Order: sequence, then C-alpha cells, then structure tokens
Amino acid sequence: KAGVTQTPRYLIKTRGQQVTLSCSPISGHRSVSWYQQTPGQGLQFLFEYFSETQRNKGNFPGRFSGRQFSNSRSEMNVSTLELGDSALYLCASSLSLAGGLGYNEQFFGPGTRLTVL
Amino acid sequence: AQSVTQPDIHITVSEGASLELRCNYSYGATPYLFWYVQSPGQGLQLLLKYFSGDTLVQGIKGFEAEFKRSQSSFNLRKPSVHWSDAAEYFCAVGGGSDMRFGAGTRLTVKP
Repeated sequence: KAGVTQTPRYLIKTRGQQVTLSCSPISGHRSVSWYQQTPGQGLQFLFEYFSETQRNKGNFPGRFSGRQFSNSRSEMNVSTLELGDSALYLCASSLSLAGGLGYNEQFFGPGTRLTVL
Repeated sequence: AQSVTQPDIHITVSEGASLELRCNYSYGATPYLFWYVQSPGQGLQLLLKYFSGDTLVQGIKGFEAEFKRSQSSFNLRKPSVHWSDAAEYFCAVGGGSDMRFGAGTRLTVKP
C-alpha cells in the first residue's frame, strides 16, 4: 500500500506570496492532519480534516487554511507569506476508527520544505 | 490541557550501548501515548504506542517503552543501539481531538 505523499517536496516563495501544498493520504484513510515543524517551535498542529470537514484546528492565524476533497486528498494554503512561515510542513493520515485525532496512529508523509525569502 | 516534555534535547551514545529516552506527560485521563522517529529529510514513523493493558510495549526496530502512571512517564528504551538509529525521536500524547508532540530528542550514535 502506498504511503502518504506530499507535493511538492521543496518550495521557495517570497514574502507576500501565496502557496498551496498537497497531500494524498493512504488509501482508505479518512483523516488528514497538517503540522508545521520548525527548529524553534517543534511540531505544531495546524488542523485536521475528516470526511471533507475540518474537525480540529490549532492555534494558527487565518492565513493558514485547508480543505479536503471527496477522495480524502487534502490541500493546505498559506496566504500572504511571512518569513516566519519557513518550515517543514508535514501531512499525516489515519484511519480514525477510534474517534478523535488523539486516539489514532498517524502515518506521516515526507513533508514539504517551504522557504520564504 | 495535555502536554509532553522530553527533557533531553540531544543524546549521544556509542554503538552497541543501551539507550533510554525520557518522556513525561501531563494529561487528566488515561493517555494514549506514542513514540515516533524522524530520520533526516523524512516524515515521522511510528515506533510504538500504548493505549491500555500491558504497560511494557514492544515496537519496531527493537524498541520498547514502559508506561508508568505514577511517574507520568513513557520512556523509550533499546538494549543495543545501531548506527542506523541516529535520528530524532518524538514522544506524543493524545486524547480526544488533541495530539501533542514533545520537542524531540536528537540521538547521535558514535562508532
């Protein structure tokens, strides 16, 4: 079974631009979560989507948004990029059979490395 | 709110030596506990998880972890470290809709 895939793997943008990252979960997984990973802040939860609905949201500004399609693929969008948005963005999927995010094993993709200049 | 503390930012061990990575958590109910490993340039991979039952859990790659409720700890162990174990290790605690990760412990393995 194919793992979680993320595209693109690397991205360079300039301040003020917008970016869209894509995540394809493992087949059959209905939950997709996004995390931002930086050396200073570690892994921070952005949001979780389940069956096309945002089920859970972290403490990030409204510039960060996402969506999930009927095939469970998910996209994350960041508008008006700031230098501090430079990070590794990780997507994770889970079967989510046991309820909320905190009860389930997550399978992570390799991430998208975003650099904002 | 739940939280996870990994007290050691960086640990260096010699190949063949034993390893213990510490994890302390704060959670009001019985937590769901996880250890993940991240190799350079990669995403996170689950090593093991604890939901209930036997407090000593076995994982992949020869790792094990022990849940100690009285100490709010879930330490990761390996009896003999291999050079390929060099990576960053994350402890996570979950419950309900929330999943929190520790800051990570970077493991260096000396030849």
